[in-house]
Amino acid sequence: DTGVSQNPRHKITKRGQNVTFRCDPISEHNRLYWYRQTLGQGPEFLTYFQNEAQLEKSRLLSDRFSAERPKGSFSTLEIQRTEQGDSAMYLCASSFGLAGSGNTGELFFGEGSRLTVL
Amino acid sequence: GEDVEQSLFLSVREGDSSVINCTYTDSSSTYLYWYKQEPGAGLQLLTYIFSNMDMKQDQRLTVLLNKKDKHLSLRIADTQTGDSAIYFCAESIIGTASKLTFGTGTRLQVTL
Repeated sequence: DTGVSQNPRHKITKRGQNVTFRCDPISEHNRLYWYRQTLGQGPEFLTYFQNEAQLEKSRLLSDRFSAERPKGSFSTLEIQRTEQGDSAMYLCASSFGLAGSGNTGELFFGEGSRLTVL
Repeated sequence: GEDVEQSLFLSVREGDSSVINCTYTDSSSTYLYWYKQEPGAGLQLLTYIFSNMDMKQDQRLTVLLNKKDKHLSLRIADTQTGDSAIYFCAESIIGTASKLTFGTGTRLQVTL
C-alpha cells in the first residue's frame, strides 16, 4: 500500500478559474477527510465521508467548494471561481472506522495539494 | 467551544529533552494527539492518548495529560536533528467520528 495519494501536488491558477484536487485513500479505509492548512496555521476540517456518504461539512466550505466520493474510494475537491483567499494546502486523510464509532485518531494524511491563486 | 493553543517555537540542543506544550478548552475531548509535519510533507501521527489516561510512553516520546488544567505535553528524549519539524496537538470531541481540531503548531529547531 502506498498510503494516501493526492494530486496535483501544486496548482497555480488565476483568480476566477476552477480547480479540482483528487485524493486516493488507503484502499481498505472507509473514511475520508479533507482539511485546509494556511501558512503558519494548523489544519482546519472541511468535510468528511464515510464510504460514499458526505456526513459532515464545515462552515468553512462555502458554496464554491464541492467534494465528492462517488464510489466510496477516491474523492475530488472542486473549488469554483477561485479567490486569492483560497490559497492554501489542501490535505486529504483517511482512516478505518466502524459506523457510529468515534475516531481513535489514526488518520493517515497525504502530502497535500498546494493551491496558489494569483 | 473548541480551541487548541500551542507556543510557536522551541529551540533545543541535540541530545537534550524537548517539551512541547498544548492547552485545549473542550472538556468533552475523547482523544488527544500529537502529529509531526516535516517541510513539504503531510502530517504523521506520532502518538495519541485517551482522555482518561494521565501518561503514555512510546520509546523516546512521553505524553502527559493534565485533564484538570486541560494541558497536554509531549516530551522527546535525546532530541535529534531529525526531530526538527512542526508539531501539532489535536483533539477529537466526543460524539464526532470525524473532526480533529488542531493547534497552530510548534516549530521545533534542534541545534548542534
